[in-house]
This record gives sequence, C-alpha cells and structure tokens, in this order.
Amino acid sequence: DQQVKQNSPSLSVQEGRISILNCDYTNSMFDYFLWYKKYPAEGPTFLISISSIKDKNEDGRFTVFLNKSAKHLSLHIVPSQPGDSAVYFCAANVNYGGSQGNLIFGKGTKLSVKP
Amino acid sequence: DAGVIQSPRHEVTEMGQEVTLRCKPISGHDYLFWYRQTMMRGLELLIYFNNNVPIDDSGMPEDRFSAKMPNASFSTLKIQPSEPRDSAVYFCASRPRESWGTEAFFGQGTRLTVV
Repeated sequence: DQQVKQNSPSLSVQEGRISILNCDYTNSMFDYFLWYKKYPAEGPTFLISISSIKDKNEDGRFTVFLNKSAKHLSLHIVPSQPGDSAVYFCAANVNYGGSQGNLIFGKGTKLSVKP
Repeated sequence: DAGVIQSPRHEVTEMGQEVTLRCKPISGHDYLFWYRQTMMRGLELLIYFNNNVPIDDSGMPEDRFSAKMPNASFSTLKIQPSEPRDSAVYFCASRPRESWGTEAFFGQGTRLTVV
C-alpha cells in the first residue's frame, strides 16, 4: 500500500502562472518531507523540504505547505517558468523503528510549463 | 566531491544474462539506497544500507535480484538471470549519517534494457 501518494500524474500550466503540486501521506509518524525535481536522463535533485513542526517553508519561487491534520502537503511554484518542466517527486522521511534514514517516494507528477 | 557515481549509464543485455550495476556513494555518507524507476511504479525502493549493512530489502522483486556493499565506497546491484520486465532506470542514492533534516543525493542512473 502506498504511504506517499501523488494522485496527479501530470499537470500543465501556463508560463507566469502558479503551479500547485499535491502530495498525500498516510503515516503520521513521518517527520520530515522533501520535494525532488527530475529532468529526463538525470537523477532526481533535491528542491525543498519541510519539517513536520512547521506548516510552511519558502525558498524563492518555491513554497511547500504542510497540513498535518489532513496529512497533505503541496508545492507551489510562482511564477512558473518553462525550465520548471520536469517530474516532481514528494518524499517522506522515516524516523522510527528499524527504518531510520529511509525515504519513501510518491510516483511523481510531470509538470509542463507552456510558454 | 563528484557526487554519487553510477556505472554504466546504459546497459543493453539479452534475456537470461547477468547484469551488474555499480555505485560509488558520496564519501562520508552512511546510507546507500537502490531505487528503480518505472512508469507504473514511479520511484520504488529496492534496498538500502546503513554502514554497509542491509537494513530493508523488502523492495527487492525476487531472488534474481541481489545487492552488496562490501565497503563504504562501493555497492553493486546484480540481476541474474535478467528478464525484459527488469528494463527500467536504476538509481543509487546516498545520505549522510545525520539523516534527519538532510536530503539523499542521487546518481545519474543506469538505464537497463533487457531484450
């Protein structure tokens, strides 16, 4: 059963507009969340993260929001640029039991930003 | 540091042959992960190590897959015998000892094609 879910396989946005990528998780024990970006033929690269004790973290055009009660996080990109076109993965950090250090990834959302 | 280094970048092999994928993690990182990316499953964890010891191999598809980490600077993922359904991109990633609050760093991946 998927513990981290990205229910939208793809998203298309006009350049200059806001992109909102969503992620849901099932395990309330997750304590740290990360977003990765992946271009074709490259490995995923870290984008932004948020601790479970916060509800917002901002870095330039990228903001991640966390709603713990809903077990939901979202990544906002404002304004969107064509270079943001990539696959975005949401990941949750495991910090309990014998699995410390593990990261559980969603399936990814392919973002296309059209000029 | 040159980052996580994977080899080969591309591998084409015939069904039934043995395939070995290699990974050199970032120096000083204690965690090493092997992921497989497919359209259907996204980025799925196969196995991960902490201090060269396998922690969770529940993602390894079947006995045809095996992974080793003989020392802190090298890991292999072996498939024997390979099958067409093993075709995917395989990523290696490493993470520092203090995993909380840090990200995993990915290699550029090995694209495996089994014909």
